[in-house]
Amino acid sequence: EVQLVESGGGLVQPGRSLRLSCAVSGFTFDDYAMHWVRQTPGKGLEWVSGISWNSARIVYADSVKGRFAISRDNAKNSLYLQMNSLRGEDTALYYCARAPAGIAVAVMTFDSWGQGTLVTVSS
Amino acid sequence: QSVLTQPPSASGTPGQRVTISCSGSSSNIGSNTVNWYQQLPGTAPKILIYSNNQRPSGVPDRFSGSKSGTSASLAISGLQSEDEADYYCAVWDDSLNGVFGGGTKLTVL
Repeated sequence: EVQLVESGGGLVQPGRSLRLSCAVSGFTFDDYAMHWVRQTPGKGLEWVSGISWNSARIVYADSVKGRFAISRDNAKNSLYLQMNSLRGEDTALYYCARAPAGIAVAVMTFDSWGQGTLVTVSS
Repeated sequence: QSVLTQPPSASGTPGQRVTISCSGSSSNIGSNTVNWYQQLPGTAPKILIYSNNQRPSGVPDRFSGSKSGTSASLAISGLQSEDEADYYCAVWDDSLNGVFGGGTKLTVL
């Protein structure tokens, strides 16, 4: 069974940092591009970042470029999101999502999602 | 406001056919494939349609997608109460950003 489990969320002050993790199981992790998508409570979805299977291609939303860094460790079956200089508008539920096998990173097709980890940025 | 425009709400009665539109531009829908997601209350999104009109296995054929120019549509026929959810279109934009529509809340009356 495909599983994606996010962790690392919590309450953090503006300007501080947080690192999210996504542990996966049930599939060959290094066959798939992975993404982070966030959702503000009660509002819509926002794509955050994506990374190819071998980390050669990385893309970011303009809203997080220069502050967030996506990475992966294929040996540990894990995806990460390092979030720096956090702002109130970064408050959201953060999902990790899998793109289907063979799909390039620049595609918004996500066939599996985790349940999300909540990040709250507030003083 | 989102780069992709969806109506904020839609409704229908059981058995009816409902369509949800998604309007974009030449840099997103006009040049890349469209995906549709369903989000039931309190759950993660689930893919309904990919590559404009393809259904993943397990998605009922009541759900269908289409694309024309810079717009796309999701159609749900034989509406059921369990279809009450939020629906999002999603597409890659050539500005190197992924974009979602603002979402449409579907109510089954």
